[in-house]
Amino acid sequence: QQQVKQSPQSLIVQKGGISIINCAYENTAFDYFPWYQQFPGKGPALLIAIRPDVSEKKEGRFTISFNKSAKQFSLHIMDSQPGDSATYFCAASTYSGGSNYKLTFGKGTLLTVNP
Amino acid sequence: GAGVSQSPSNKVTEKGKDVELRCDPISGHTALYWYRQRLGQGLEFLIYFQGNSAPDKSGLPSDRFSAERTGESVSTLTIQRTQQEDSAVYLCASSLRREAFFGQGTRLTVV
Repeated sequence: QQQVKQSPQSLIVQKGGISIINCAYENTAFDYFPWYQQFPGKGPALLIAIRPDVSEKKEGRFTISFNKSAKQFSLHIMDSQPGDSATYFCAASTYSGGSNYKLTFGKGTLLTVNP
Repeated sequence: GAGVSQSPSNKVTEKGKDVELRCDPISGHTALYWYRQRLGQGLEFLIYFQGNSAPDKSGLPSDRFSAERTGESVSTLTIQRTQQEDSAVYLCASSLRREAFFGQGTRLTVV
């Protein structure tokens, strides 16, 4: 059972363009939605995160849009740069007791930004 | 250390052998997680530690997988009698609250 569905699997964007990655979730108990960026040979690094009480969060060129009623959220990368080329994962978590905030991940999107 | 450290970075083992993977979390982080990342897939949760106890082992795929943690420090993930389907990148993460910090992972190849 895939609780977080991510699309597209891969994305090619020209430098300066907008990259958009979408995720949908099923579990309404999820209350924290981070996006991770992963470069080859490295571990995932937190990029930006949102809670369901806001509809949008922006940090620099990165924006999360959140639609609670549709159970969907998306990452927008404005003015995409070749250095943004990486795999992006959406994730979701809910409190599971103690300090347990285990994450459920989407399958990832391989973003390539051409110069 | 400044970040989560995992060793070894790469491990090639023969089918049927046991392997141990090590994780050094960020100092002071009480929560520690192990995830598995198979080729082209997202990360799958394996186990969660709170201090040295593991109240959530729900993601361990079989009884060949086990993990330990010493206090709020080092954790070891052990895979016994490795199978080819165990080939993956094993990632460790630690956290104080919501934000999880990941290590670079151990790439395990079972031949």
